[in-house]
Amino acid sequence: EDQVTQSPEALRLQEGESSSLNCSYTVSGLRGLFWYRQDPGKGPEFLFTLYSAGEEKEKERLKATLTKKESFLHITAPKPEDSATYLCAVPPFEVIFGKGTRLHILP
Amino acid sequence: EAQVTQNPRYLITVTGKKLTVTCSQNMNHEYMSWYRQDPGLGLRQIYYSMNVEVTDKGDVPEGYKVSRKEKRNFPLILESPSPNQTSLYFCASSWREEGEQFFGPGTRLTVL
Repeated sequence: EDQVTQSPEALRLQEGESSSLNCSYTVSGLRGLFWYRQDPGKGPEFLFTLYSAGEEKEKERLKATLTKKESFLHITAPKPEDSATYLCAVPPFEVIFGKGTRLHILP
Repeated sequence: EAQVTQNPRYLITVTGKKLTVTCSQNMNHEYMSWYRQDPGLGLRQIYYSMNVEVTDKGDVPEGYKVSRKEKRNFPLILESPSPNQTSLYFCASSWREEGEQFFGPGTRLTVL
């Protein structure tokens, strides 16, 4: 059965304190791994798509990487506005979302 | 502006009273999907549609119906809502099943 597991469930960091979020997956025939950001009460907003092991993508303070079993979202020197829930997802025919990591950046 | 719209945004109803949540996208996307989001359970897919007149069940389809008569619209129908369908619902679309999804603003449904 296809699965997506995110860790940690919640993370509190001081402003400027870099860290990584993990998304591990078991999918037969990966057709892309997606990262989204979700603010409270709003729809998820697309960040990155990764298709093959070794691929990396960056956007401002965020960098996503992919291996054959997991993906990491690295956050470098975060700011309070980076506080959100970060979701990863994989699309076979049904899209499976992880439960997310709630990130809180303290000023 | 490219967007996915949902209506209503908020709805309080009673058990058994049929309701429809509309979803419309203006990006000519083929793939559309409905999710519900509950605390501790994350986003779970209800139904998805690969194209007009093509729909399929997601992870939690029980108690829901959908239709895709036009490419831009993908309404979610609750024939006889129950309290366990109280949730935050999102509609999403993408140009293909493996593509990035664009989400609507959400519909917060309460069934009493």
